[in-house]
Amino acid sequence: NAGVTQTPKFQVLKTGQSMTLQCAQDMNHNSMYWYRQDPGMGLRLIYYSASEGTTDKGEVPNGYNVSRLNKREFSLRLESAAPSQTSVYFCASSEAYWGEAFFGQGTRLTVV
Amino acid sequence: GQQVMQIPQYQHVQEGEDFTTYCNSSTTLSNIQWYKQRPGGHPVFLIQLVKSGEVKKQKRLTFQFGEAKKNSSLHITATQTTDVGTYFCAGRGVSGGSNYKLTFGKGTLLTVNP
Repeated sequence: NAGVTQTPKFQVLKTGQSMTLQCAQDMNHNSMYWYRQDPGMGLRLIYYSASEGTTDKGEVPNGYNVSRLNKREFSLRLESAAPSQTSVYFCASSEAYWGEAFFGQGTRLTVV
Repeated sequence: GQQVMQIPQYQHVQEGEDFTTYCNSSTTLSNIQWYKQRPGGHPVFLIQLVKSGEVKKQKRLTFQFGEAKKNSSLHITATQTTDVGTYFCAGRGVSGGSNYKLTFGKGTLLTVNP
């Protein structure tokens, strides 16, 4: 049972490049989330999907887009990467929106 | 929007000393969760508190949820080196879209001197 799987684990982008962070969960969870973690800032919610077919903005959505491809997969896209998007990105899922969140291993993204 | 403040930001203790981190929300919460993140790792769920005044224990860890459901604390008795990490509280709102969002505090980094 893999839980929440994120790919890639590490990525270096040049300013202006685009990329998609992939996330998949095998726990049949309804809700999925994308967070970014910066030193001293804790975890900030970028986007979330309360259930399949729905997505909503979190605290810091600017510069990102998401797709809930199906119940298992929730991807995060950076259309034109900026140095301010250098961060560690975590995907998480929960059975229901009120439940405990299970986190993936994270993607360390550097934008130069 | 909902804000969750956590103090202290850092805490260094000698092994065997106690440790407490506090969490305060700007709004009433439907529930609060606590997570631990080891250095270089990902957050791992510890516990969820739902009821006003609730107290839960996990071995040396004691979690409390305030009567007004706006604050919470985590207390570790007799810290061990295995307790090292960052402890986050995360609160969920009570109404509208805010109850879908888990808002994290900035965390308390605990280091333990053996």
